[in-house]
Amino acid sequence: DGGITQSPKYLFRKEGQNVTLSCEQNLNHDAMYWYRQDPGQGLRLIYYSQIVNDFQKGDIAEGYSVSREKKESFPLTVTSAQKNPTAFYLCASSSGLPWDYGYTFGSGTRLTVV
Amino acid sequence: AQSVTQLDSQVPVFEEAPVELRCNYSSSVSVYLFWYVQYPNQGLQLLLKYLSGSTLVESINGFEAEFNKSQTSFHLRKPSVHISDTAEYFCAVSQSNSPSGTYKYIFGTGTRLKVLA
Repeated sequence: DGGITQSPKYLFRKEGQNVTLSCEQNLNHDAMYWYRQDPGQGLRLIYYSQIVNDFQKGDIAEGYSVSREKKESFPLTVTSAQKNPTAFYLCASSSGLPWDYGYTFGSGTRLTVV
Repeated sequence: AQSVTQLDSQVPVFEEAPVELRCNYSSSVSVYLFWYVQYPNQGLQLLLKYLSGSTLVESINGFEAEFNKSQTSFHLRKPSVHISDTAEYFCAVSQSNSPSGTYKYIFGTGTRLKVLA
């Protein structure tokens, strides 16, 4: 079945460490997105990519980095510069314009700083 | 700037009772509207969407939403809820006429629906 796979499901990070969250899709979607979800704040866009080798900052990109070397993959690195990284991270993809088709979401990665 | 307001953070309702989850958006220009559902520790799933045409849209599991342009609302309703409907529901809006060719997909803060036995 087609879908989006995020790994790991749970991730613990020590302060000062960089960590990378994986997102893979087999839907042949062009666009991919990373959102951060905090209780009571909804979803906030971190980065998005509409084509391979191109990506744009979202609303809260500081302290994060991404790459898009393959259509199927859009990994997110949470760097030590991100001061409050504990959150639920969601990856999504869309086949074209999101207002036409909506998003397909992965099941998320819960990151905790210890 | 475009914004989406979900007025209720939590809505408790008894099983088989009707429910309405409210959503208002700020823009008066053309928008596309969505409702997503999130079960615990999972991603979001598209529930229904309004792009154009009939202002009443329905999902396969009995939810419906009505686009009201004059009130800039897109409330979600279900005439009779089940325990399995317990989840968090997010309203989202996307604006269609971004001059730069990019887009912004704005989510509300979510409404937690708790169905009681």
